[in-house]
Amino acid sequence: GDSVTQMEGPVTLSEEAFLTINCTYTATGYPSLFWYVQYPGEGLQLLLKATKADDKGSNKGFEATYRKETTSFHLEKGSVQVSDSAVYFCASYSGNTPLVFGKGTRLSVIA
Amino acid sequence: DAGVIQSPRHEVTEMGQEVTLRCKPISGHDYLFWYRQTMMRGLELLIYFNNNVPIDDSGMPEDRFSAKMPNASFSTLKIQPSEPRDSAVYFCASSSSGRRTGELFFGEGSRLTVL
Repeated sequence: GDSVTQMEGPVTLSEEAFLTINCTYTATGYPSLFWYVQYPGEGLQLLLKATKADDKGSNKGFEATYRKETTSFHLEKGSVQVSDSAVYFCASYSGNTPLVFGKGTRLSVIA
Repeated sequence: DAGVIQSPRHEVTEMGQEVTLRCKPISGHDYLFWYRQTMMRGLELLIYFNNNVPIDDSGMPEDRFSAKMPNASFSTLKIQPSEPRDSAVYFCASSSSGRRTGELFFGEGSRLTVL
């Protein structure tokens, strides 16, 4: 079945640093790919998504590009803020099973 | 529009007591999911429903856990009897097959502490 592997955290960055959180997937076919974010004390919420190869999802300064050749969907942000401190989950969806989530990466941004 | 609504937000109970968690999905969504989140095990899918029918309950940890969906706007997750290792945050999520994207909408979660 499908699986998602993302880099383990925690990741600690200074404000305005560049962020990359790696995510790779295995799936039969071409899944839709997602990044979800969970702020402290809240549920998961969709951050961005991409439904086909070479698509770029973007939101709140975050970006991720669907790379079929490397089966990756790495999350990037050019300049993180303290308010970006959260847990980030990569996920894939192939249409016949529920979303498959990675284990999550905790990001802490310090001022 | 209202999102997924869960209650209670926090529950503290003693070992052996029955716990009932409730969820109201987004109107019009035909899929409902129950997840459990702990530091040790991360996010786990417990069970999901399609059109009120349980599709896969293989994630339910043991017989002490049960879930029902009597109608399209309400679901419960029950733990009887509860144990300290059940302490976790339980999330309900819903989605619409019509959108064909798999996107899930999560509630705020119910934090359960079993003493």
